[in-house]
Amino acid sequence: GDSVTQMEGPVTLSEEAFLTINCTYTATGYPSLFWYVQYPGEGLQLLLKATKADDKGSNKGFEATYRKETTSFHLEKGSVQVSDSAVYFCALSVNTGNQFYFGTGTSLTVIP
Amino acid sequence: NAGVTQTPKFQVLKTGQSMTLQCAQDMNHNSMYWYRQDPGMGLRLIYYSASEGTTDKGEVPNGYNVSRLNKREFSLRLESAAPSQTSVYFCASTFRSGSGTDTQYFGPGTRLTVL
Repeated sequence: GDSVTQMEGPVTLSEEAFLTINCTYTATGYPSLFWYVQYPGEGLQLLLKATKADDKGSNKGFEATYRKETTSFHLEKGSVQVSDSAVYFCALSVNTGNQFYFGTGTSLTVIP
Repeated sequence: NAGVTQTPKFQVLKTGQSMTLQCAQDMNHNSMYWYRQDPGMGLRLIYYSASEGTTDKGEVPNGYNVSRLNKREFSLRLESAAPSQTSVYFCASTFRSGSGTDTQYFGPGTRLTVL
């Protein structure tokens, strides 16, 4: 079945450090891939997405590239800020269905 | 646009009580969803509605019922609350682009405690 696996946290980084959060997927069709971010006490917000192989999604300094050959969609940011502290979810949807599949989330804390 | 709204934001129930969580979206989306979020378990789908008039079970439907009242509103009902239903509940709706890509948009959540 379809599923998403993302690296477990928590992750703690110093301000201006490089961030990578790994995400791999299994899908029977041609999925679209997403990263969502959840700030404390809030709902999930779409951070970025990619709809086909080799697409790069980007937003607010975050990037992720859809790699079909490695079934991956790793999230990266070159220089994190304290305000990036949140939980990050990788997700996929397949056009043939109505369901989304989410990873378990990775908690990021950025310290000054 | 208010996006996806949920009421209430917080609720405390006693075991055996019932309640309905309300969700509405003003984005004219066809599909709507209810998830629960528990520590270490990510999001789990309770029920979804692909279009007005249809509902389907997700991964964890037991103990819940839903109603798709109209295109805008999708409610979740707990008939007899249990402590295992203590969780954060999120409603979401899905936009389908012309190319067929689905993107979900979430409400702010309802934090439910069952004593």
